Amino acid sequence: QQQVKQSPQSLIVQKGGISIINCAYENTAFDYFPWYQQFPGKGPALLIAIRPDVSEKKEGRFTISFNKSAKQFSLHIMDSQPGDSATYFCAASRYGGSQGNLIFGKGTKLSVKP
Amino acid sequence: EAQVTQNPRYLITVTGKKLTVTCSQNMNHEYMSWYRQDPGLGLRQIYYSMNVEVTDKGDVPEGYKVSRKEKRNFPLILESPSPNQTSLYFCASSSRGRKNTEAFFGQGTRLTVV
Repeated sequence: QQQVKQSPQSLIVQKGGISIINCAYENTAFDYFPWYQQFPGKGPALLIAIRPDVSEKKEGRFTISFNKSAKQFSLHIMDSQPGDSATYFCAASRYGGSQGNLIFGKGTKLSVKP
Repeated sequence: EAQVTQNPRYLITVTGKKLTVTCSQNMNHEYMSWYRQDPGLGLRQIYYSMNVEVTDKGDVPEGYKVSRKEKRNFPLILESPSPNQTSLYFCASSSRGRKNTEAFFGQGTRLTVV
């Protein structure tokens, strides 16, 4: 049973465009939803995270939108740049943080064309 | 520098030959985890540890063992590796509590079992 479903699997965006990646979860006990960014040959690194008490969180060009009733959350990358080309993973966990069991989506490979 | 260190980075071995992948963190984190990353499957948790001498199975624990004798170290042991354990492995650590809950990942270990 896949607890966190991520789409699309791959995404090609022109420089300056908006990249949107979507995730859906099933377990209503999840209360922490991070996004990780991974460059080739590197480990994933935290990009931005949200808890379900807010519907949106913005950090620079990156925004998480969260819909608790639909059990969905998404990552929006505004003014996408070639340097944003990477694989993005959404994740979810209980207990308000990354301790223990972080459940990841399958990842989205983003390519930003110059 | 705060980091999670995995060794080795690359390993080619033969079926059935026991191996250990080491993981060490210098952030005094309570929580440590092992993940495997496979194309199209994302990151799947193998085992996690909430503190010294406390470990639990993740989603794909079969064929793996772990131990947590010291807070900083969390080795992954493959007693009898098989070709289906060929994968990219990541160790991660995080702290307890709702603040500073980021999971820090190592650089990865690419394992090939022939």
